Amino acid sequence: KAGVTQTPRYLIKTRGQQVTLSCSPISGHRSVSWYQQTPGQGLQFLFEYFSETQRNKGNFPGRFSGRQFSNSRSEMNVSTLELGDSALYLCASSRRDRDSPLHFGNGTRLTVT
Amino acid sequence: EDQVTQSPEALRLQEGESSSLNCSYTVSGLRGLFWYRQDPGKGPEFLFTLYSAGEEKEKERLKATLTKKESFLHITAPKPEDSATYLCAVQTTTGANNLFFGTGTRLTVIP
Repeated sequence: KAGVTQTPRYLIKTRGQQVTLSCSPISGHRSVSWYQQTPGQGLQFLFEYFSETQRNKGNFPGRFSGRQFSNSRSEMNVSTLELGDSALYLCASSRRDRDSPLHFGNGTRLTVT
Repeated sequence: EDQVTQSPEALRLQEGESSSLNCSYTVSGLRGLFWYRQDPGKGPEFLFTLYSAGEEKEKERLKATLTKKESFLHITAPKPEDSATYLCAVQTTTGANNLFFGTGTRLTVIP
């Protein structure tokens, strides 16, 4: 069974640009969550999508947005990039029931220069 | 405010030297406590879910336990391949699916 797939693996962008990251969940998983991981803050929740609807949102500015498609694939967009947005962005999928833990992809490493 | 604290930040063990990692939590209501393992350059890998105080789960050399205020990840006779960062996370009873993570314990097992 294929795991969570994130593309691209690495990205280098310049301040002020925007970026789109992609996530394909495990087959049958309809919930997709996004997390930001930095050395100082650890893993922080960005948002969750289920059935193409945002179900929950973390404490991040509006520059961070996402969407989910009918096949459960998800994209995350960050506009007007800042140096502090440099991080590992992780996507996780689940069935969203009690016995379904989050399964993470290997992330997209974003560097903003 | 929901909070998860892991200790120690880093731990070096000789191969075969057993030890425990701690995860203390303060949440309004606990739906589940999760342990993950993360290797460098990779995403977290799911290990265990614990739901109620007194519950224990085991997998190979790892055993996770849960009390009302903390969880322990016991590592028995560790091997170098157990070297990784171990993350603890909680899910609350608010109905949301997101996890609050601790900052992890970086374990190094020396041959």
